[in-house]
Amino acid sequence: DGGITQSPKYLFRKEGQNVTLSCEQNLNHDAMYWYRQDPGQGLRLIYYSQIVNDFQKGDIAEGYSVSREKKESFPLTVTSAQKNPTAFYLCASSISAVINEQFFGPGTRLTVL
Amino acid sequence: KNQVEQSPQSLIILEGKNCTLQCNYTVSPFSNLRWYKQDTGRGPVSLTIMTFSENTKSNGRYTATLDADTKQSSLHITASQLSDSASYICVVIDLYNTDKLIFGTGTRLQVFP
Repeated sequence: DGGITQSPKYLFRKEGQNVTLSCEQNLNHDAMYWYRQDPGQGLRLIYYSQIVNDFQKGDIAEGYSVSREKKESFPLTVTSAQKNPTAFYLCASSISAVINEQFFGPGTRLTVL
Repeated sequence: KNQVEQSPQSLIILEGKNCTLQCNYTVSPFSNLRWYKQDTGRGPVSLTIMTFSENTKSNGRYTATLDADTKQSSLHITASQLSDSASYICVVIDLYNTDKLIFGTGTRLQVFP
């Protein structure tokens, strides 16, 4: 079953704790992306990676960190430095950053209590 | 100011009726324009992709149009179904920055029986 998966679907954390969101794809895509979605706003880019072992900050990278040690995996860590972490997080992948037709995962809803 | 503006913000129609969603953008020059459908709590799914030279693109009951001169696009839904209830997001790709998508805030469509 090919596609892009995110886990967990719902995540609750206490304020001040770091949390890592998982994103895996078996589409053999080079590029992967993390977005944040808030009510009434368009998707905002957090980080993206065009190739393994390389990643770039997006528009709202502060308080987040990523790694890209494997082609199929691009985990996102929401750190305690992120002021308003409660949001819906979407991961996406594309064949490459040039052929940028992005396929999205099902999302993770993070709630910080 | 958002580079991609969508209207209306929300729309309610009866099952079987047609509707049209609007997207105005300022991104120029652009590589392509896309419409995505996003069900509540799920990731966006691509409906249509149009390059700057295309005027219309259909996907079943969904038809997207593009006027590059006025920088406007529309998504027309024919014979709406309950399953069309979702958010519809317009996305524009900057020709000189193709690794980043520029998202509109979406139109929330509700179809009632």
